[in-house]
Amino acid sequence: SAVISQKPSRDICQRGTSLTIQCQVDSQVTMMFWYRQQPGQSLTLIATANQGSEATYESGFVIDKFPISRPNLTFSTLTVSNMSPEDSSIYLCSGDRSTDTQYFGPGTRLTVL
Amino acid sequence: AQTVTQSQPEMSVQEAETVTLSCTYDTSENNYYLFWYKQPPSRQMILVIRQEAYKQQNATENRFSVNFQKAAKSFSLKISDSQLGDTAMYFCAGGSQGNLIFGKGTKLSVKP
Repeated sequence: SAVISQKPSRDICQRGTSLTIQCQVDSQVTMMFWYRQQPGQSLTLIATANQGSEATYESGFVIDKFPISRPNLTFSTLTVSNMSPEDSSIYLCSGDRSTDTQYFGPGTRLTVL
Repeated sequence: AQTVTQSQPEMSVQEAETVTLSCTYDTSENNYYLFWYKQPPSRQMILVIRQEAYKQQNATENRFSVNFQKAAKSFSLKISDSQLGDTAMYFCAGGSQGNLIFGKGTKLSVKP
């Protein structure tokens, strides 16, 4: 299984600011994903992070709000822009090594005041 | 999978006993995968077990096994000899080519 790390593990932010979350995988993966888990809810896919090109966003998520980068195979960032309290969630990244099996990072717990 | 349904929001089991968590799904895909993930209070999503839809044999991983009924689109998880460390949220998920859909989860409590 892939080992995936995320930074920061948690943060408390003021509304109107932005936070960038980093995701590092220890081995090459073919696909990386970003999910949101709102309090007490299940996981919702935000986007697929594509190496060297624009991410593929799911319905309800837009690049202006959640810009994503993936400069190489093992690293990706998700930015939560112009935050509001509704953005308070756990954000998780995952990686897939061509086995259709996703392994998850430890998550970033974001609280927006 | 287009939809994944977990109808049991919460369950409890005595330590050392067996518990079964239910999951049904709907998909129009021919090739897909099904998963059970565990999320303890630490919030780390941990892969418990994986099933390829084209395989008839039910997957097993130590104390964890599935009952995969493809025609009924059912994918239940059986945990044998439950341990206190099994206490967690359990999510059923399905999909293909990275497009995973998650159920709402079942909160499992293992009681001493």
